[in-house]
Amino acid sequence: KAGVTQTPRYLIKTRGQQVTLSCSPISGHRSVSWYQQTPGQGLQFLFEYFSETQRNKGNFPGRFSGRQFSNSRSEMNVSTLELGDSALYLCASSATRLMSADTQYFGPGTRLTVL
Amino acid sequence: SQKIEQNSEALNIQEGKTATLTCNYTNYSPAYLQWYRQDPGRGPVFLLLIRENEKEKRKERLKVTFDTTLKQSLFHITASQPADSATYLCALEDGGFKTIFGAGTRLFVKA
Repeated sequence: KAGVTQTPRYLIKTRGQQVTLSCSPISGHRSVSWYQQTPGQGLQFLFEYFSETQRNKGNFPGRFSGRQFSNSRSEMNVSTLELGDSALYLCASSATRLMSADTQYFGPGTRLTVL
Repeated sequence: SQKIEQNSEALNIQEGKTATLTCNYTNYSPAYLQWYRQDPGRGPVFLLLIRENEKEKRKERLKVTFDTTLKQSLFHITASQPADSATYLCALEDGGFKTIFGAGTRLFVKA
């Protein structure tokens, strides 16, 4: 079974631009979560989607948004980029998350650099 | 607010010894706790999950304990090897499909 894939792997943008990151979960997985990882803040939860519905959102400004498609693929968007948005963005998929303790499988991440 | 704390300092040990990593949490009563391994530039990889009614869980050279009274989990790697060098993260579910991660502890195993 193929793992979680994220595209692109690396991205360089300038302040004020917007960016869209993509995540394809493991086949059959319906839950996708997004995280931001920085050296200072560690791994922080952005949002979680299941069957095209956002079920929870982390404490991030409205510039961060996401969506999930009917095939479970997910995208996240960051508008009006700031220098502080430079980070590794990780996507994780799990089977359902309907039961607690579904294992999350992480992708390799997208390294975003904002200049 | 709910918080997870892991040793921020790196842990350096000699090959063959047991590495013990600590995860403390506050203001939460999790039903379970997870441990992940992360190598530089890569996504975390799930290692073990322990539920609140389990005192201890083992998988090969890994052992996790969970003390809900102390609000602490200990993660042990026995007979450590240089290949075990990585950052280890503990994580809790903060209800509602939201996972909170600790900052992680970097482990260096010297040959």
